[in-house]
Amino acid sequence: DGGITQSPKYLFRKEGQNVTLSCEQNLNHDAMYWYRQDPGQGLRLIYYSQIVNDFQKGDIAEGYSVSREKKESFPLTVTSAQKNPTAFYLCASSIEISYNEQFFGPGTRLTVL
Amino acid sequence: KQEVTQIPAALSVPEGENLVLNCSFTDSAIYNLQWFRQDPGKGLTSLLLIQSSQREQTSGRLNASLDKSSGRSTLYIAASQPGDSATYLCAVRTVIFVNRDDKIIFGKGTRLHILP
Repeated sequence: DGGITQSPKYLFRKEGQNVTLSCEQNLNHDAMYWYRQDPGQGLRLIYYSQIVNDFQKGDIAEGYSVSREKKESFPLTVTSAQKNPTAFYLCASSIEISYNEQFFGPGTRLTVL
Repeated sequence: KQEVTQIPAALSVPEGENLVLNCSFTDSAIYNLQWFRQDPGKGLTSLLLIQSSQREQTSGRLNASLDKSSGRSTLYIAASQPGDSATYLCAVRTVIFVNRDDKIIFGKGTRLHILP
């Protein structure tokens, strides 16, 4: 089955800790994205990557970091610098950066204790 | 700056009725518009994608239309069923030509409840 997987489904973090959210796709898509979803706020773009070894900041990149060492993987690290990290995180991919449909993973819910 | 609005935020209709969800955007210079469905605590499922050159797309009981000049898209759901209950989001893909920065702007969604 082709698709996007995210792990873990639920993640709990203590204040001051860094955590990494996994996103893997086997769709052979070049472009990948990370969004944050908060109640009543809609989706906001954190980072996106058009191709391997390249990524760009989105609208709310502060306190987050990413890497794109492999085409199929785009992990997101939530650092201790992110002041309000509790949210639902969604990873997406598309064939290329423009013109094409985005396909989403099932999401990771991060809670800071 | 592109803004995407979905009104109403929530909608309840009896099973079997036809219904229309609305999406409006402020800048008509778009590449495409995509409608998604999201169930509680889940990711987004793509329903329909309309390119800027198209007027509508259909999939089963769903029909999405696009009117760029008026900055509007509608998602029509025929013969609604309880399984259609979910949040429906629209997203507009645009380009900021000054720095070639590709943007996808999401609406906040309409939460739909189909009453059995």
